[in-house]
Amino acid sequence: DGGITQSPKYLFRKEGQNVTLSCEQNLNHDAMYWYRQDPGQGLRLIYYSQIVNDFQKGDIAEGYSVSREKKESFPLTVTSAQKNPTAFYLCASSPGTGRGETQYFGPGTRLLVL
Amino acid sequence: AQSVTQLDSHVSVSEGTPVLLRCNYSSSYSPSLFWYVQHPNKGLQLLLKYTSAATLVKGINGFEAEFKKSETSFHLTKPSAHMSDAAEYFCVVSDFSGGGADGLTFGKGTHLIIQP
Repeated sequence: DGGITQSPKYLFRKEGQNVTLSCEQNLNHDAMYWYRQDPGQGLRLIYYSQIVNDFQKGDIAEGYSVSREKKESFPLTVTSAQKNPTAFYLCASSPGTGRGETQYFGPGTRLLVL
Repeated sequence: AQSVTQLDSHVSVSEGTPVLLRCNYSSSYSPSLFWYVQHPNKGLQLLLKYTSAATLVKGINGFEAEFKKSETSFHLTKPSAHMSDAAEYFCVVSDFSGGGADGLTFGKGTHLIIQP
């Protein structure tokens, strides 16, 4: 089955702790994205990557970091600098980044602060 | 710059009646437009997309949307609602004119409630 997997489904963070959210895709897509979703809001872009070993900041990158060492993997680290990390995090991928490219989404990870 | 406005935060319909979810967009260029659906605690699933071909776009699960350039609208419709349609729906515009680093701008969503 082709698709995008995210793990874990739920993640708990303690104060001052960094946590990493996993995102893997087997669609052979070049581009990958991380979004944050808060209640009553649309999705906001955190980081995106158009190709391996390259990534760009999105609209709300502060307090987050990413890496793209492999085409199929794009992990997101929520650092202790992110003061309000409680949210639903969605990973997506697309074949490229041209206009009209469809993004395909994973099932999401819900991050909660203890 | 591009923007998208979903005109209703909540829509409630009875099962078997028509569904209308309204979306207006603003774009400096010929946009691509998408509708996604999200069930609780799930990722987003593409319902349909418009990319300058036919203005009436048919999607999955009986949904369709019509691109109206003169009205800058892309409303989502379905003739007969089913209980399984209860979800959050997002209208998305893409024209790479500055809206978001990846060229996509998401609406804030419309919560569709289906009454039995």
